Amino acid sequence: DQQVKQNSPSLSVQEGRISILNCDYTNSMFDYFLWYKKYPAEGPTFLISISSIKDKNEDGRFTVFLNKSAKHLSLHIVPSQPGDSAVYFCAARSFNQFYFGTGTSLTVIP
Amino acid sequence: DAGVIQSPRHEVTEMGQEVTLRCKPISGHDYLFWYRQTMMRGLELLIYFNNNVPIDDSGMPEDRFSAKMPNASFSTLKIQPSEPRDSAVYFCASSLRRGTGVQRYGYTFGSGTRLTVV
Repeated sequence: DQQVKQNSPSLSVQEGRISILNCDYTNSMFDYFLWYKKYPAEGPTFLISISSIKDKNEDGRFTVFLNKSAKHLSLHIVPSQPGDSAVYFCAARSFNQFYFGTGTSLTVIP
Repeated sequence: DAGVIQSPRHEVTEMGQEVTLRCKPISGHDYLFWYRQTMMRGLELLIYFNNNVPIDDSGMPEDRFSAKMPNASFSTLKIQPSEPRDSAVYFCASSLRRGTGVQRYGYTFGSGTRLTVV
């Protein structure tokens, strides 16, 4: 059963606008959350993370929001750039093991 | 460091043939993971090792799949016999769980092996 879900398989955004990628989870024991970015023919690479004791973490154009009561995680990219076009995976940690979502393919249109 | 190295990058094989995927983790990492990426399930954990010992292989789909880690610098994932539904991208990842700060960043992934079984 999928404990981490990304319900939007794809998203298209105009360059300069905000991209919002969403992730839902079911396991209340998750204590750490990450977003990975994956380009074609490459492995996923770490993008940004957030601890369960926080509700927001910001790194440049990337901000991750955590709503524990709703078991919801989101990644905001602003402003979006064509180079941000990639597949984004959210991941959640429980007992030192990470569980991944199915990914959202983001396309930023120039 | 060269990162996690996987080989081959692409593999095309006929149904029924044996397939072996290879992985060299980052030196010093004590955990190694094999994942499979599909459209339906995303990144699916197959098996992981700690200090070369298999810890959890509950994600291995069938007995046709097997994995070994004979030493700290090498692991293989074998499919025998292969079937068309095994076609996917297989990723190897490694991590150092005991280091402060490193654990926050999750795993370092290799570039993957794209397997096509025809």
